[in-house]
Amino acid sequence: QVQLQESGPGLVKPSQTLSLTCTVSGGSISSGSYYWSWIRQPAGKGLEWIGRIYTSGSTNYNPSLKSRVTISVDTSKNQFSLKLSSVTAADTAVYYCARVSVVAGLYYFDYWGQGTLVTVSS
Amino acid sequence: QSVLTQPPSVSGAPGQRVTISCTGSSSNIGAGYDVHWYQQLPGTAPKLLIYGNSNRPSGVPDRFSGSKSGTSASLAITGLQAEDEADYYCQSYDSSLSGSEVFGTGTKVTVL
Repeated sequence: QVQLQESGPGLVKPSQTLSLTCTVSGGSISSGSYYWSWIRQPAGKGLEWIGRIYTSGSTNYNPSLKSRVTISVDTSKNQFSLKLSSVTAADTAVYYCARVSVVAGLYYFDYWGQGTLVTVSS
Repeated sequence: QSVLTQPPSVSGAPGQRVTISCTGSSSNIGAGYDVHWYQQLPGTAPKLLIYGNSNRPSGVPDRFSGSKSGTSASLAITGLQAEDEADYYCQSYDSSLSGSEVFGTGTKVTVL
């Protein structure tokens, strides 16, 4: 059973860079046809896709966040990471990491981490 | 703001059938991109409920079913149970701009 766990600072100052890591257990991050993704959810609001990475390093980002987002992968540690620069209060949210299954052209999120709350405040 | 629109809330009594719509456009659902559905119980992470418009992952009760037509998709819950009270989100791909995975606005299901 694949499990994902987010980790990182729960408080980030405005204008700084938010950094989170997702550790994958129960399977190799390099095996199979999977992408690895970040999704966020402000309190009381809906889900927003941030971006995804393949283990080759290929990435796709939400156009609305693309200028500030970097997603990377470390296969030796079975981890992938998110960096979001120049954060503001609008970036305060629960951040989820998720596995993306790719089957017959379908891309869907089949395993999710429990989520971690990141607050942007001075 | 999301490009997939869902009703903010639906409700039903135990045992009833409820449906949740997910309305898109010609750049997402109408372009042929598949729709997936997620259930988010209070205080927890979303869980995959339906993939590829109508397929249920192992372990998801057959009370949940999905369909897609034109620029919209629907999730139906038959035999509504108290444990189904949750938020539900549709998800698809949008090809406008540079392309992006997109989620619906979300629907709160209340069991009366």
